[in-house]
Amino acid sequence: EVNLVESGGGLVRPGGSLRLSCAASGFTFSGYWMTWVRQVPDKGLEWVATIKQDGSKEYYVDSVKGRFIISRDNAKNSLYLQMNRLRAEDTAVYFCARDWEVGISDYWGQGSLVTVSS
Amino acid sequence: DIQMTQSPSSLSASVGDRVTITCRASQSISTFLNWYQQKPGKAPTLLIFAASTLQNEVPSRFSAGGSGTEFTLTISSLQPEDFATYYCQQSYTTPYIFGQGTKVEIK
Repeated sequence: EVNLVESGGGLVRPGGSLRLSCAASGFTFSGYWMTWVRQVPDKGLEWVATIKQDGSKEYYVDSVKGRFIISRDNAKNSLYLQMNRLRAEDTAVYFCARDWEVGISDYWGQGSLVTVSS
Repeated sequence: DIQMTQSPSSLSASVGDRVTITCRASQSISTFLNWYQQKPGKAPTLLIFAASTLQNEVPSRFSAGGSGTEFTLTISSLQPEDFATYYCQQSYTTPYIFGQGTKVEIK
């Protein structure tokens, strides 16, 4: 059974940093693109970043370019999102997702809430 | 960036009704269009990819079509478990933008 579990969310002050993790199990992690999507509470979905199977390609939404870094450790079956210079508008639930084909997310974690506030 | 616009933003319907949601892309995306369902407090689930292909175990009352810039998601006979928010998403090019969502509520 495919399982994705996010962790690392919490309260952080504007300008601060946070690292989200996503532990994957139940599939060959190294065989799939992986994605982060976020959702402001009671609002819509926003694609954040996607990384290729071997980590050689990364794509980001403009609003996080230069501040967020998506990465993965295939030996640990883990996906990460390093978030720097956080802003209030980054407050959201962050979901990790498996892409069975790039851009098509077929399994999602339960989400991790990040709150950026002073 | 390619913008995705869904209509309506919300609708009220009864069990057994036929419901259609429309998604428009600001430029052609061929059939690189996905539909997701999200229930309150839960992660989204993939319903349909490549504009019209049902994901495994999605009930056959769901159907979808379209290409280019116009797409539709249809639920042929609304069931209680279908009350949720539906999102389209283009996977033609990054950023993989989602539509704003369509909330399907009980009438």
